[in-house]
Amino acid sequence: QSVLTQPPSVSAAPGQKVTISCSGSSSDIGNNHVCWYQQLPGTAPQLLIYDNNERPSGIPDRFSGSKSGTSATLGITGLQTGDEGDYYCGTWDSSLSGKVFGGGTKLTVL
Amino acid sequence: QVQLQESGPGLVKPSGTLSLTCAVSGGSISSTNWWSWVRQPPGKGLEWIGEIYHNGGTNYNPSLKSRVTILVDKSKNQFSLKLSSVTAADTAVYHCARNVGATGLDSWGQGTLVTVSS
Repeated sequence: QSVLTQPPSVSAAPGQKVTISCSGSSSDIGNNHVCWYQQLPGTAPQLLIYDNNERPSGIPDRFSGSKSGTSATLGITGLQTGDEGDYYCGTWDSSLSGKVFGGGTKLTVL
Repeated sequence: QVQLQESGPGLVKPSGTLSLTCAVSGGSISSTNWWSWVRQPPGKGLEWIGEIYHNGGTNYNPSLKSRVTILVDKSKNQFSLKLSSVTAADTAVYHCARNVGATGLDSWGQGTLVTVSS
């Protein structure tokens, strides 16, 4: 069972917007930065967002991150079929003194 | 652009020790980054194993801490993972990655599947 809670799946049509939530507690999201990863089928995870809302170079601005209290949200606009895959949130857990991930959310672009 | 590549046996016997190496190219392991190991059992989510700094400082997942050792070899620009007393539950794709920012991992190796079986 993951420390961070994500919905198992989300779906939306091409061109639309989708949000993925990540819920935690005061020992993790509440007092630490959040990151988001995209994992396309058969590939390694790729960092989309770090430090709550920063995008690494090369990540399009279709991807955005936000954090409020003990929850975080990944937003994806202008959905493309190539966005289909699994999305994970992650942060540091101060009580465990280690990194933790959400269970992952499968995105389907209908 | 930094690249990471995992290497090591793909099959380990139960009760044995899993040993992997992560070679870093295009950058120095002595930079101001920490370096992590993450694993993913087939069909399941990500699990952080631990991380190391070039001075040898480490942080480990508490659930694995008693069995994990992560070391750095600055002369070879690489770091390694040892996981002892393995069981079938340790079967997973093992990735090495570079830490960025407060909690992110921005450069990942392609991953290597390690199967624990007799």
